[in-house]
Amino acid sequence: EAGVAQSPRYKIIEKRQSVAFWCNPISGHATLYWYQQILGQGPKLLIQFQNNGVVDDSQLPKDRFSAERLKGVDSTLKIQPAKLEDSAVYLCASSLKRVASEQYFGPGTRLTVT
Amino acid sequence: GESVGLHLPTLSVQEGDNSIINCAYSNSASDYFIWYKQESGKGPQFIIDIRSNMDKRQGQRVTVLLNKTVKHLSLQIAATQPGDSAVYFCAENLNAGGTSYGKLTFGQGTILTVHP
Repeated sequence: EAGVAQSPRYKIIEKRQSVAFWCNPISGHATLYWYQQILGQGPKLLIQFQNNGVVDDSQLPKDRFSAERLKGVDSTLKIQPAKLEDSAVYLCASSLKRVASEQYFGPGTRLTVT
Repeated sequence: GESVGLHLPTLSVQEGDNSIINCAYSNSASDYFIWYKQESGKGPQFIIDIRSNMDKRQGQRVTVLLNKTVKHLSLQIAATQPGDSAVYFCAENLNAGGTSYGKLTFGQGTILTVHP
């Protein structure tokens, strides 16, 4: 079974630029999560989708971050404009149902904002 | 690969020793806990979980202990191997229903280094 795919793996941008990350979850997984992992910390949930609907985006900085999952499969996370403090690894995870133990994580996208 | 955890607690052990990694969780209403292993350049990988109505659960070479009185979780790894070297995170789930389903809050993490 293929795992969660993410691209790009690395991205370097200047502050105030825009960036987008892509996630392809495991086939058939209805729930998709985006996490932000700042260096030296555990992952922090940004947004959770159930199919193409948002379940929880309480920790998403909506003034600059946006995410979509239009067809209930792939998802994109966008930052516009980026700030220095957005430097982090952005992890995507998916699960068949909204069950905490069944989240499978992708390798992440490492973003550096200079 | 990435360097996760420059400021995390560290634990160094010799191959073959037993390792104990500790975690203090924050919410007394959390009813489900998971330990994850994260290797450099990879996403977290599920190791073992435990529900709040249990105080101990064993897996293959791993044991998780839960002390709800002091909100403490520990992961014991028996006969630690070099391949166990990674960052270990505990995560808690507050099963309050609704938007809480599947929502995890991760702890800070511990870097485990196993020397051959």
